[in-house]
Amino acid sequence: GAGVSQSPSNKVTEKGKDVELRCDPISGHTALYWYRQSLGQGLEFLIYFQGNSAPDKSGLPSDRFSAERTGGSVSTLTIQRTQQEDSAVYLCASSFSHNYGYTFGSGTRLTVV
Amino acid sequence: KNEVEQSPQNLTAQEGEFITINCSYSVGISALHWLQQHPGGGIVSLFMLSSGKKKHGRLIATINIQEKHSSLHITASHPRDSAVYICAVYSETSYDKVIFGPGTSLSVIP
Repeated sequence: GAGVSQSPSNKVTEKGKDVELRCDPISGHTALYWYRQSLGQGLEFLIYFQGNSAPDKSGLPSDRFSAERTGGSVSTLTIQRTQQEDSAVYLCASSFSHNYGYTFGSGTRLTVV
Repeated sequence: KNEVEQSPQNLTAQEGEFITINCSYSVGISALHWLQQHPGGGIVSLFMLSSGKKKHGRLIATINIQEKHSSLHITASHPRDSAVYICAVYSETSYDKVIFGPGTSLSVIP
């Protein structure tokens, strides 16, 4: 597609359930980023992929969070045993390479009830 | 002290005014990114800078690496420029770490 696609756009889940968020970057973009923005808060960097590898996962807020990227394209962010503090908009962005300007997806709004 | 700071935090301007938003950082960086977040939440990448100055339409971004400071200027501001402007820096030592500023909320009044 022409842009970065994220799905679902909205997700309401019960506390304790697992959720999987998907990001489909622009074709040819090797760099992929996950961020989150909690209500009224700034952007928080979660993880960066160059190709299929994520050099540093320390931005993930807890070990309930994991992310993978296969085939250098689609990435999934998985949150296990969701907690209410996980409620946020999860944003994905991609670029040709690190340090190039990047394009954001429209985000997934996650609400944990 | 935050590693990336922005000023002002909030800004209201009359249409047509020249606007400057500032970003200061305390870490070594490899690049700096200006982002625009619209009221609906969508985020647009404006500029990626590692030195000098870039211009796109009515927007100008400058960076002074020695002073660890960047500015985003908007000339002939328009109500559609109303948004939150976010400065983000790429760490020099850990190139995949991005540190975001708190954002500047701009409102341009007709």
